[in-house]
Amino acid sequence: GAVVSQHPSWVICKSGTSVKIECRSLDFQATTMFWYRQFPKQSLMLMATSNEGSKATYEQGVEKDKFLINHASLTLSTLTVTSAHPEDSSFYICSGLDGEQYFGPGTRLTVT
Amino acid sequence: ELKVEQNPLFLSMQEGKNYTIYCNYSTTSDRLYWYRQDPGKSLESLFVLLSNGAVKQEGRLMASLDTKARLSTLHITAAVHDLSATYFCAGDNTDKLIFGTGTRLQVFP
Repeated sequence: GAVVSQHPSWVICKSGTSVKIECRSLDFQATTMFWYRQFPKQSLMLMATSNEGSKATYEQGVEKDKFLINHASLTLSTLTVTSAHPEDSSFYICSGLDGEQYFGPGTRLTVT
Repeated sequence: ELKVEQNPLFLSMQEGKNYTIYCNYSTTSDRLYWYRQDPGKSLESLFVLLSNGAVKQEGRLMASLDTKARLSTLHITAAVHDLSATYFCAGDNTDKLIFGTGTRLQVFP
């Protein structure tokens, strides 16, 4: 299957700062990528759909000004958590669409 | 709006036993997926079920799909400790995946 990478795999940041997470499709071109958030012992919740060259589509209840998504190329989407707060601490997983979704390894964000 | 429900939420089973995880969905889903997640890890794709009556098997796991009942099952045969993980089903709504609540499976000797 297709391979998706994420960077970093783990990040700690201080409250009020911003952090950027990268999602790359390594062996396919992903016009569409998805961003999910997963809290401990919970399911995955879709945050937004990222389309190359256009604005992301956010799910209801997700603050688009807080979670900035940029999909500037067919192999890279980025999620920037702005003015992070401890409640933003979570496991963030991206996926690339190539017939079906292929998931990245995830990024664990801890905001102190 | 597609909704996906799984049960049980937690399953503790003895090695060698059989059990089934159920996944119900509320409206038409193009495809039905099963994933495995180990602690601290991302998702591993297990099965993609495309049509009514589809059955797929890999090792001790077998997945089936009944689109008329809007039900998919993941059957575990002769469980072993290595199967301990969380299992998610997900429905496909125009390429967006809607995940079930997950089933935490713990297999003990």
